[in-house]
Amino acid sequence: DAKTTQPPSMDCAEGRAANLPCNHSTISGNEYVYWYRQIHSQGPQYIIHGLKNNETNEMASLIITEDRKSSTLILPHATLRDTAVYYCIVRALSGSARQLTFGSGTQLTVLP
Amino acid sequence: KAGVTQTPRYLIKTRGQQVTLSCSPISGHRSVSWYQQTPGQGLQFLFEYFSETQRNKGNFPGRFSGRQFSNSRSEMNVSTLELGDSALYLCASSAPGLETQYFGPGTRLLVL
Repeated sequence: DAKTTQPPSMDCAEGRAANLPCNHSTISGNEYVYWYRQIHSQGPQYIIHGLKNNETNEMASLIITEDRKSSTLILPHATLRDTAVYYCIVRALSGSARQLTFGSGTQLTVLP
Repeated sequence: KAGVTQTPRYLIKTRGQQVTLSCSPISGHRSVSWYQQTPGQGLQFLFEYFSETQRNKGNFPGRFSGRQFSNSRSEMNVSTLELGDSALYLCASSAPGLETQYFGPGTRLLVL
């Protein structure tokens, strides 16, 4: 079962920051937080991942709370092309927990 | 680098037939994972191959099988197709040590 909880849907105005929350209160010390998104039945696209420190790349920023029980994905300037389902996933990098376990995700709609 | 490629992109079969789907990973990636996505069950892990060996397996019946070749290309086979096998089948590859999975565009299978 997925170990994360995300709101089913969110709206964001184009050009504004989109902040997508994720709860993972049972995360283990060796588990990473990964974010993917899927645009209308295309293959999921990797966005970012982190263990305990905040991370930033060209697509987004990932903020992980100090107790690691929740995180927020930030798209700094959302565009219409960012409309997608966003998945927050926790996974270990070894053993049977290596695979990605997808939950229901958050449907982000960017409004013009 | 070219991304993950999957062939065919679309497929229509009838109940009882079998089907083989192909996945070519990103160059240098040695791990290939397969996922099934349906509207009812979401994205579910099928199996993972690394260096021609199945390393991890999801909770699917034995009708679903796979293999990996020495060049890391992978195939999955579904025998005795059922209507419920209609789905988007996704392949993802990852590099040793980095473990981030990158997805292909998927093969959409329709079973009539």
